[in-house]
Amino acid sequence: DAGVIQSPRHEVTEMGQEVTLRCKPISGHDYLFWYRQTMMRGLELLIYFNNNVPIDDSGMPEDRFSAKMPNASFSTLKIQPSEPRDSAVYFCASSRSQVWGYTFGSGTRLTVV
Amino acid sequence: GENVEQHPSTLSVQEGDSAVIKCTYSDSASNYFPWYKQELGKRPQLIIDIRSNVGEKKDQRIAVTLNKTAKHFSLHITETQPEDSAVYFCAAPTEGGATNKLIFGTGTLLAVQP
Repeated sequence: DAGVIQSPRHEVTEMGQEVTLRCKPISGHDYLFWYRQTMMRGLELLIYFNNNVPIDDSGMPEDRFSAKMPNASFSTLKIQPSEPRDSAVYFCASSRSQVWGYTFGSGTRLTVV
Repeated sequence: GENVEQHPSTLSVQEGDSAVIKCTYSDSASNYFPWYKQELGKRPQLIIDIRSNVGEKKDQRIAVTLNKTAKHFSLHITETQPEDSAVYFCAAPTEGGATNKLIFGTGTLLAVQP
């Protein structure tokens, strides 16, 4: 099992550009979560999916953020347009229904200049 | 919704001493309490968890205790070693555990001095 796979590991972009983060969950996991980590706010849940369906996106900061899960093995988090305050580490995590214990991906460190 | 508070925010101990990190939660229906360890520049990793039907769980040098009445749970690390230095996060589920959604505490930076 390769674990949760995220790409890219690092992303540096200019303000106003579109950024797309990618995640491949563990096979058989039917929950997928996107978290953002900053020093000031810690680990914040942005959105989560169950069986590819978005369940709760109340943590998405604003309309500039969107997330999709077109199939069980792939999800994207898109920021358009990006702003310097979006700089953070974005983690994807997955788990199985009724089985606790998230597995996190390695994260994407996003820097918006 | 669930609110998780964690303290202390930083903890420095001498190698060989014990370390205790505490968390409180607000949703009395919560039934699962994990602890994650995050080393610098790495992903959070689950190190131990406890369900609400037990009061304590041990795994070698780490243990977690749960007090459902007071709605708090704690991580205990004995005989600390330099490799225990990391940020530790507690978490609790929202919506009474009806979903797999976890809310994380703000983290504790543990520094073990050799």
